[in-house]
Amino acid sequence: EAGVAQSPRYKIIEKRQSVAFWCNPISGHATLYWYQQILGQGPKLLIQFQNNGVVDDSQLPKDRFSAERLKGVDSTLKIQPAKLEDSAVYLCASSFTSAETQYFGPGTRLLVL
Amino acid sequence: GDSVTQMEGPVTLSEEAFLTINCTYTATGYPSLFWYVQYPGEGLQLLLKATKADDKGSNKGFEATYRKETTSFHLEKGSVQVSDSAVYFCALSGPAGGTSYGKLTFGQGTILTVHP
Repeated sequence: EAGVAQSPRYKIIEKRQSVAFWCNPISGHATLYWYQQILGQGPKLLIQFQNNGVVDDSQLPKDRFSAERLKGVDSTLKIQPAKLEDSAVYLCASSFTSAETQYFGPGTRLLVL
Repeated sequence: GDSVTQMEGPVTLSEEAFLTINCTYTATGYPSLFWYVQYPGEGLQLLLKATKADDKGSNKGFEATYRKETTSFHLEKGSVQVSDSAVYFCALSGPAGGTSYGKLTFGQGTILTVHP
């Protein structure tokens, strides 16, 4: 069974630029999560999808971050414009339902200069 | 709100030493508790979990017991190997019916290095 796929693996941008990350969850998983992991900290939930609907985006900085999961499968997380403090690893996870184990992708490491 | 506190790291041990990584939590009701591991260059993997008080999760020689009275979920292994070198994260998910159900709250992680 293929795992959670993410791309790109690494991205370097300058502040005020925009960037997008892509995630393809495990086939059949209805729930998809995006986490932000700042160096030296544990992951922090940004947004949770159930199929193509948002369940929780209370921790998403909506003035600059957006996310979508239009067909209920893969998802895109966008930052526009990026700030220095957005430098982090962005992790995507999926689960069969919200009650089941979450499986994580390898993450996208973002550096904002 | 929910929170998880892990022991300060990093932890450095010799091969075959005994490992304990402390984890305590704050949450309402009975959350589910997890240990995730992140090997160098890889994504987070579930190591073990426990969903109710006094449950013991175990995997790959690691164990952790859900202690409601002390709100703890300490990770232990009797004899570590070099291949156990990784970052370990304690996490919780709120109880069914609550607002944090299905959402993971992580501790800050503990770096473990095992020398031959």
